[in-house]
Amino acid sequence: DAGVTQSPTHLIKTRGQQVTLRCSPISGHKSVSWYQQVLGQGPQFIFQYYEKEERGRGNFPDRFSARQFPNYSSELNVNALLLGDSALYLCASSPARSLQGQYFGPGTRLLVL
Amino acid sequence: QKEVEQNSGPLSVPEGAIASLNCTYSDRGSQSFFWYRQYSGKSPELIMSIYSNGDKEDGRFTAQLNKASQYVSLLIRDSQPSDSATYLCAVNKNNNDMRFGAGTRLTVKP
Repeated sequence: DAGVTQSPTHLIKTRGQQVTLRCSPISGHKSVSWYQQVLGQGPQFIFQYYEKEERGRGNFPDRFSARQFPNYSSELNVNALLLGDSALYLCASSPARSLQGQYFGPGTRLLVL
Repeated sequence: QKEVEQNSGPLSVPEGAIASLNCTYSDRGSQSFFWYRQYSGKSPELIMSIYSNGDKEDGRFTAQLNKASQYVSLLIRDSQPSDSATYLCAVNKNNNDMRFGAGTRLTVKP
């Protein structure tokens, strides 16, 4: 079975631009969560979506938004990019609403210049 | 105080030894606890989960939870060079919020 997939793998943007990151969960998983991981730190929780509704939100500004589609895939959007948004963005899926047993995708590495 | 704290390491152990990784958390209401392994340049991989006080064993890995002390640990027996990675402790505050520690870097020397 395919694991969690994310696209693109790498991305370079300039300050002020907008970016959209995509995630497809493991087949049968209805929950998708997004994390930001800065080098040398653990992942920071951004959002959780379950059954196409936002179920949890971390301490991130409104420049960050996300949505989940009927096929349970998800997009993360970041507007007005800042240099500090440079990070590895991880998507994780789990079968149920709880965040137990999450499986991570390979991540999208974003560099903001 | 950070919500989830881990020693950053690096922790170095010889091959075949026991590696002991520790984690403390601040939210007494936390219900579920996880250990992830992250190789350099890769995404985190779930290796253990624990939900109740005591020990949970899975192969060479043992997770220990003490909710009264707000403490979680991971023991790796018979450490192998392939165990060299960063180990992340994660705490589920409620079903909608997962908090990670900064990770402990483990090096197993042949």
